[in-house]
Amino acid sequence: GAVVSQHPSWVICKSGTSVKIECRSLDFQATTMFWYRQFPKQSLMLMATSNEGSKATYEQGVEKDKFLINHASLTLSTLTVTSAHPEDSSFYICSAAQTGSDGELFFGEGSRLTVL
Amino acid sequence: AQKITQTQPGMFVQEKEAVTLDCTYDTSDPSYGLFWYKQPSSGEMIFLIYQGSYDQQNATEGRYSLNFQKARKSANLVISASQLGDSAMYFCAMSLNTDKLIFGTGTRLQVFP
Repeated sequence: GAVVSQHPSWVICKSGTSVKIECRSLDFQATTMFWYRQFPKQSLMLMATSNEGSKATYEQGVEKDKFLINHASLTLSTLTVTSAHPEDSSFYICSAAQTGSDGELFFGEGSRLTVL
Repeated sequence: AQKITQTQPGMFVQEKEAVTLDCTYDTSDPSYGLFWYKQPSSGEMIFLIYQGSYDQQNATEGRYSLNFQKARKSANLVISASQLGDSAMYFCAMSLNTDKLIFGTGTRLQVFP
């Protein structure tokens, strides 16, 4: 089946630094990718929809300047948490929709961010 | 507004027994898809089963079946012959015209020997 890879799997950073998380579709092209955030024992909250070659669409309440999304190619979307703070510590998951498919989504393994 | 509701924070089931995880949804859109995902402690999301709003028959995938009751707007997941490895969080989700998924709050399933 289709594979979506996230990197890094986990990252620890100091408060005030920026962290980039990559989401790659390894064996298919993805015009659209989604970024989610999950707090412990809670549901996945959609943060933004990432469209190749255009600006991301952010959900209400998500700071676009805080969470920068770049979808530079059909196989790569990146989420950059800028000036990270401890409250940004969370589990971030991406998903990708295969171009031309009937809507099936494939999820990455997730990236756990801990901000000290 | 579109919404997914999972009312069971946690469920327990004995190995080899069947268990039903509840999911209700709310949308006025006639075209939608319903999904169930499993999330083990590792965090990855594993797709289990899909039901389209126009599908006449309930979806089945191995030990998983979806009890789709359109009039009641429910899409319960039935896991038959539970296994210890089924212990995980289970999320119900809905998609509308786009690929964007709306998730429920999840149900933690614990299978005991």
